[in-house]
Amino acid sequence: QKEVEQDPGPLSVPEGAIVSLNCTYSNSAFQYFMWYRQYSRKGPELLMYTYSSGNKEDGRFTAQVDKSSKYISLFIRDSQPSDSATYLCAMNREVLTGGGNKLTFGTGTQLKVEL
Amino acid sequence: GAVVSQHPSRVICKSGTSVKIECRSLDFQATTMFWYRQFPKKSLMLMATSNEGSKATYEQGVEKDKFLINHASLTLSTLTVTSAHPEDSSFYICSARDSGRVPRETQYFGPGTRLLVL
Repeated sequence: QKEVEQDPGPLSVPEGAIVSLNCTYSNSAFQYFMWYRQYSRKGPELLMYTYSSGNKEDGRFTAQVDKSSKYISLFIRDSQPSDSATYLCAMNREVLTGGGNKLTFGTGTQLKVEL
Repeated sequence: GAVVSQHPSRVICKSGTSVKIECRSLDFQATTMFWYRQFPKKSLMLMATSNEGSKATYEQGVEKDKFLINHASLTLSTLTVTSAHPEDSSFYICSARDSGRVPRETQYFGPGTRLLVL
């Protein structure tokens, strides 16, 4: 079993739709959770990070963490064609413990927002 | 803030030659940098962790003599692919951890270098 599982997609939605992207994880040592967006042939761009259960909102993006279920989500409201990209979830242990520097990534979900 | 650059963005080389890729943190100091490799439509595969002033830590299965990493300063890490072969063709991406920013675990990625070995 992989430490982080992510719905592979591809996911195609109409412009304006609400998009839900999800990851599950098996290691309860993960404390920090991030979402990256990667456009084709580019490096990943940090979208959001969270470190506690609950919701965090930034503009059209909401990151949700449920540590009891080991489940994280990224919601995109009013999706736009420019949101078309691959979305990677990533997580990390506490830096001060062993292996804390490494990010563990999901496989990424490819999203296409169509006009 | 938190900008990471890579150079070159794209390189084509002949089999057997060595290629050096630079990763720079432009507006912060990075005690730790990471090197990843990504195949088409696949996720990032961590190759090694680079700490300023010390030897890099390589992931299992990554040949340290083939992928030489040097982290000589707090803003620069280099990856040299020695005696490159066609199977080394890939998208190489670096990231840097900004220890002065909260949360410290966050990594900022460079734009990537596309290597094609003929």
